[in-house]
Amino acid sequence: QSVLTQPPSVSGAPGQRVTIACTGTSSNIGANYDVNWYQQLPGTAPKLLIYSNSNRPSGVPDRFSGSKSGTSASLAITGLQADDEADYYCQSYDSSLSGVIFGGGTKLTVL
Amino acid sequence: QVTLKESGPALVKPTQTLTLTCTFSGFSLSTSGMRVSWFRQPPGKALEWLARIDWDDDKFYSISLKTRLTISKDTSKNQVVLTITNMDPVDTATYYCARMGLYYQHDSWGQGTLVTVSS
Repeated sequence: QSVLTQPPSVSGAPGQRVTIACTGTSSNIGANYDVNWYQQLPGTAPKLLIYSNSNRPSGVPDRFSGSKSGTSASLAITGLQADDEADYYCQSYDSSLSGVIFGGGTKLTVL
Repeated sequence: QVTLKESGPALVKPTQTLTLTCTFSGFSLSTSGMRVSWFRQPPGKALEWLARIDWDDDKFYSISLKTRLTISKDTSKNQVVLTITNMDPVDTATYYCARMGLYYQHDSWGQGTLVTVSS
């Protein structure tokens, strides 16, 4: 069982907007540790999508955005495209575990 | 350009020790602030952080696996090595190494190496 909680799946039609929630606790997200998001296409390594809650690395389209509030964070994807179909993971740090933690991953299906 | 690549055996037997090597380029682990982490992902399951080593040789381990893990670096070879003792079939996974930044983000990843534990 993952420390951060994500919905197992979300879906949306091309062009639509979807959001993926990531819920933590007072020892990780709620303790003001940053949240990072990764996209993992089938059979490939994770790719950093959002870092420090809401920042996009160079090359990541602005269709992807992140936010954080309290003990939760959220990834939003607008203008859904077929090649956005992937698994998405949130990641933070936990002070009780003294280590990096992940959510269980969310599979995005573009209908 | 930052690149990382994992190497190691594809198959190990139960109770054996696994040794994985991460060979990287485009940065130096002797530079202040540089860090490299190891992760794994069982087939169809989520990512799991295993260990991290910093430029100053500080080492950090997953609490659940701490007794079985050892991480080390060879700065001259641009390599980070992870050993896992007493391998079990549940340790079957793709193992990744990645560079870690200031916000605990991992901005560059290796392609991963699949390790199967079976007799």
